[in-house]
Amino acid sequence: DQQVKQNSPSLSVQEGRISILNCDYTNSMFDYFLWYKKYPAEGPTFLISISSIKDKNEDGRFTVFLNKSAKHLSLHIVPSQPGDSAVYFCAASSDRGSTLGRLYFGRGTQLTVWP
Amino acid sequence: NAGVMQNPRHLVRRRGQEARLRCSPMKGHSHVYWYRQLPEEGLKFMVYLQKENIIDESGMPKERFSAEFPKEGPSILRIQQVVRGDSAAYFCASSLGHNSYEQYFGPGTRLTVT
Repeated sequence: DQQVKQNSPSLSVQEGRISILNCDYTNSMFDYFLWYKKYPAEGPTFLISISSIKDKNEDGRFTVFLNKSAKHLSLHIVPSQPGDSAVYFCAASSDRGSTLGRLYFGRGTQLTVWP
Repeated sequence: NAGVMQNPRHLVRRRGQEARLRCSPMKGHSHVYWYRQLPEEGLKFMVYLQKENIIDESGMPKERFSAEFPKEGPSILRIQQVVRGDSAAYFCASSLGHNSYEQYFGPGTRLTVT
């Protein structure tokens, strides 16, 4: 069962424009959400996170928005740069129950930023 | 480099052989997680360990797979009698503790079973 879903396998954006990557989840027990960036043949790199008690977290060019009622989060990258081209994974975690500690990942979205 | 270390980076095994994957967590981190990524898929949780303890192995196949994180040395993911379906990228991550949600990943081991 895919509890974290990234429905867009790819996104293409021109340099300087905004990139918006979307993520939906089904488990209401999730209380922490993370975005990771991954280049080919490398491990995922932590990018930004948000707790369920917030609806927005910003770090430089990256902003994550959380809509708990819709079980939806998004990552905004402004302005987009060619070096941002990578696969972006959304992940979720719960601090309760038997799944403590594990991250649930979406399938990823390949972002391509062209000049 | 104080990041998560994994070795080997690439491992080729014939069907029926054993594969041993190693992971050294970031300095100061005592929690280790193993994930597997199949082609075109996201990362799937396998096992969560602390020093000398398996906390959660519910994501790991019941047979042929085992993991340990001894008091001294790296964490080991062991796959016995490998099959072609075990071919994947195996990633290790570490964190300060289960209350520290951010997990930091190593570069992965790409296992190919021929």
